[in-house]
Amino acid sequence: EDKVVQSPLSLVVHEGDTVTLNCSYEVTNFRSLLWYKQEKKAPTFLFMLTSSGIEKKSGRLSSILDKKELFSILNITATQTGDSAVYLCARTQGGSEKLVFGKGTKLTVNP
Amino acid sequence: DGGITQSPKYLFRKEGQNVTLSCEQNLNHDAMYWYRQDPGQGLRLIYYSQIVNDFQKGDIAEGYSVSREKKESFPLTVTSAQKNPTAFYLCASSGGGQSQETQYFGPGTRLLVL
Repeated sequence: EDKVVQSPLSLVVHEGDTVTLNCSYEVTNFRSLLWYKQEKKAPTFLFMLTSSGIEKKSGRLSSILDKKELFSILNITATQTGDSAVYLCARTQGGSEKLVFGKGTKLTVNP
Repeated sequence: DGGITQSPKYLFRKEGQNVTLSCEQNLNHDAMYWYRQDPGQGLRLIYYSQIVNDFQKGDIAEGYSVSREKKESFPLTVTSAQKNPTAFYLCASSGGGQSQETQYFGPGTRLLVL
């Protein structure tokens, strides 16, 4: 089935903790996997991963894709309250530009 | 400034009424998309358009209609046939450059039924 599954669905941590968000999928023939952060309104783009095993990094956030084991992770180190958001994972569908989204992980960072 | 705008921010619909949500982009993107977001459901694709004067149904197109007469504009009409329209509607666009798959989102329209 053409699904993207994110886990956990919800996570509560304290400032300074490190978190790992998971995204798994079920098909192998796709071009890219994307991560977005959604605070209150529009999802904002974080990363696009196309190659397996190559880590992408932006400040305290990093992400990696494993095309053999069919998953991706998003790591956030030294979390801050501003990291509180829903994190969405999506992958391209076949050879098109259409995206299939997971349901998201809601991260709450408490001071 | 380049970006995607959606209007209105909030929209109220009465029973049996058609309403139209606006989406405009000045990013010169070829492709545009409409998603519906319900609590705990993630984003579900309603319609998408890869080029002017052409569009395709997504996963939940029933009760919705679109048009793509201009590259910059992709309005969504929620018809009276959509029995459960209360949701957050997001428009996105993509295309151009090396990251054709990266979709950029507008701020959304929240539709409520009176």
